Amino acid sequence: QKEVEQDPGPLSVPEGAIVSLNCTYSNSAFQYFMWYRQYSRKGPELLMYTYSSGNKEDGRFTAQVDKSSKYISLFIRDSQPSDSATYLCAMSFLNTGGFKTIFGAGTRLFVKA
Amino acid sequence: KAGVTQTPRYLIKTRGQQVTLSCSPISGHRSVSWYQQTPGQGLQFLFEYFSETQRNKGNFPGRFSGRQFSNSRSEMNVSTLELGDSALYLCASSLEALNEQFFGPGTRLTVL
Repeated sequence: QKEVEQDPGPLSVPEGAIVSLNCTYSNSAFQYFMWYRQYSRKGPELLMYTYSSGNKEDGRFTAQVDKSSKYISLFIRDSQPSDSATYLCAMSFLNTGGFKTIFGAGTRLFVKA
Repeated sequence: KAGVTQTPRYLIKTRGQQVTLSCSPISGHRSVSWYQQTPGQGLQFLFEYFSETQRNKGNFPGRFSGRQFSNSRSEMNVSTLELGDSALYLCASSLEALNEQFFGPGTRLTVL
């Protein structure tokens, strides 16, 4: 079993839809949770960063963490064609050599105009 | 503030050759991490350097090596290239910890 599981999609939605992207994890040591967006031929871009259970909102994006269920989500409201990209979840914890970060496989999202 | 830069952006090599990739982190960032990204395996951690010392290492063979200079710039070397090394190689920098990383655009390596 992978430490971080993420459905690779693709996920196709119409413009204006609410998008829900999810990841599950198995290692309860994870303390920090991130979402990255990666456009084609670009490096990943940090979207959201959180370290506690609950919701964190930033504009049209909401990151949700449920540590008891080992489950994180990213919600995109009023999705736009420009949101079409691959979304990667990432989780990290502190070990003796510094932080260890594991990325999910990424979910490809297509928002149709 | 300038972002993370990587050179070259594209590279074509043949099996058996070696390659060196370069990464310049964001000014002030002392941690530099390297990742390999492929469609099948996703983003795989190679190693992390902090203040010129390798602090973390992923599960890659010894053909993959790196170093960091006193100005925090980092290089990654792959020797005896194999077809399976074809991938996007990403560099990420952060201030202290690995939990907030800023990625460069990557180097697309193709091994023929």
